[in-house]
Amino acid sequence: EAGVAQSPRYKIIEKRQSVAFWCNPISGHATLYWYQQILGQGPKLLIQFQNNGVVDDSQLPKDRFSAERLKGVDSTLKIQPAKLEDSAVYLCASSFSRGGLSTGELFFGEGSRLTVL
Amino acid sequence: TQLLEQSPQFLSIQEGENLTVYCNSSSVFSSLQWYRQEPGEGPVLLVTVVTGGEVKKLKRLTFQFGDARKDSSLHITAAQPGDTGLYLCAGAPGGTSYGKLTFGQGTILTVHP
Repeated sequence: EAGVAQSPRYKIIEKRQSVAFWCNPISGHATLYWYQQILGQGPKLLIQFQNNGVVDDSQLPKDRFSAERLKGVDSTLKIQPAKLEDSAVYLCASSFSRGGLSTGELFFGEGSRLTVL
Repeated sequence: TQLLEQSPQFLSIQEGENLTVYCNSSSVFSSLQWYRQEPGEGPVLLVTVVTGGEVKKLKRLTFQFGDARKDSSLHITAAQPGDTGLYLCAGAPGGTSYGKLTFGQGTILTVHP
């Protein structure tokens, strides 16, 4: 079974530029998450999708971050404009759902490492 | 906001030694998970504990969930170099927020041959 795919693996940009990350979850997983992991910290949830609807985006800095999952499968996370403090690994995860709720067993991709100069 | 504190943050031991990592919170969680993350990869789920006082064993790893479901521990017996990595605990609030995990800051374990 293929795992969660993310791209690009690495991205270096200058502050105020924009960047987009792509995620393809495990086939059949209705729930998709984007997490931000700053060096030396645990992952922090940015946004959670159930199919193509947003379940939780309370910790997403909406003035610069946006995410979509238009057809309920792939997802993109965009940052515009980027700040120095956005340097982090952006992890995508997916999980199977029962009765419309995530089972809570998350499968993570390898992450996209962003460096903002 | 639910917070999870892990200790120690860094652990450097020799092969064959035993170790314990702690995960503590003032909040109650419906379940708690432990993940292991290697450099350049995403976290991989090791175990989920859901009942207060529950103990689960996975080969040389023993996981315990506190009676009050506010804390957890991971004990590794006879550590091996292959155990090296970042260990993360993560708590779930339950209900419709299941899957909205709060992660600890992690414990970096290095096992020297």
